[in-house]
Amino acid sequence: EPEVTQTPSHQVTQMGQEVILRCVPISNHLYFYWYRQILGQKVEFLVSFYNNEISEKSEIFDDQFSVERPDGSNFTLKIRSTKLEDSAMYFCASATGPDNEQFFGPGTRLTVL
Amino acid sequence: GQQLNQSPQSMFIQEGEDVSMNCTSSSIFNTWLWYKQDPGEGPVLLIALYKAGELTSNGRLTAQFGITRKDSFLNISASIPSDVGIYFCAGQSRETSGSRLTFGEGTQLTVNP
Repeated sequence: EPEVTQTPSHQVTQMGQEVILRCVPISNHLYFYWYRQILGQKVEFLVSFYNNEISEKSEIFDDQFSVERPDGSNFTLKIRSTKLEDSAMYFCASATGPDNEQFFGPGTRLTVL
Repeated sequence: GQQLNQSPQSMFIQEGEDVSMNCTSSSIFNTWLWYKQDPGEGPVLLIALYKAGELTSNGRLTAQFGITRKDSFLNISASIPSDVGIYFCAGQSRETSGSRLTFGEGTQLTVNP
């Protein structure tokens, strides 16, 4: 069964460093999402992406964040200058359409020291 | 922003018992989804609901989309130890917040063998 994959599974970085989190959505999906989950809290929406542009973003997704689909398979989230409070699990999700089920990847645990 | 109130926060039950959890909102949602999350992993979709009043089953799981479109419940019958995990409801309202999912706080389920 096709699934969303994410790399790395765990990323440790120093405050102020740039990180890139990678996702490979399900191959026939057209809508892509990033969510984050701070330890012990609920999952929060960051950004949605369709047709090579951002569809919507939350207030969390500030100028330090960017997303890109550099080729036909990868979908990346870049944090330009990480802060301690960026430590969280980051989940990629994909869907066939805007009203369809979103399938989540296993997540990347980001730890900012 | 939209908020989902999920209850209970946690449940401790004996194997074989039935479980019920629910989500309510002050806003209307067009889609309700129920996910299960195991520690350190991504949310796994259990059931998706698209129409008010819809009752859908998936094995021992049953979920309903409330007639007012402001609530949903999930029932698990004859619980087994592998049902342990965190269950999240998620709502989508295309009119007010695009295709993003708004998540509840989660219900931590513990099943004692």
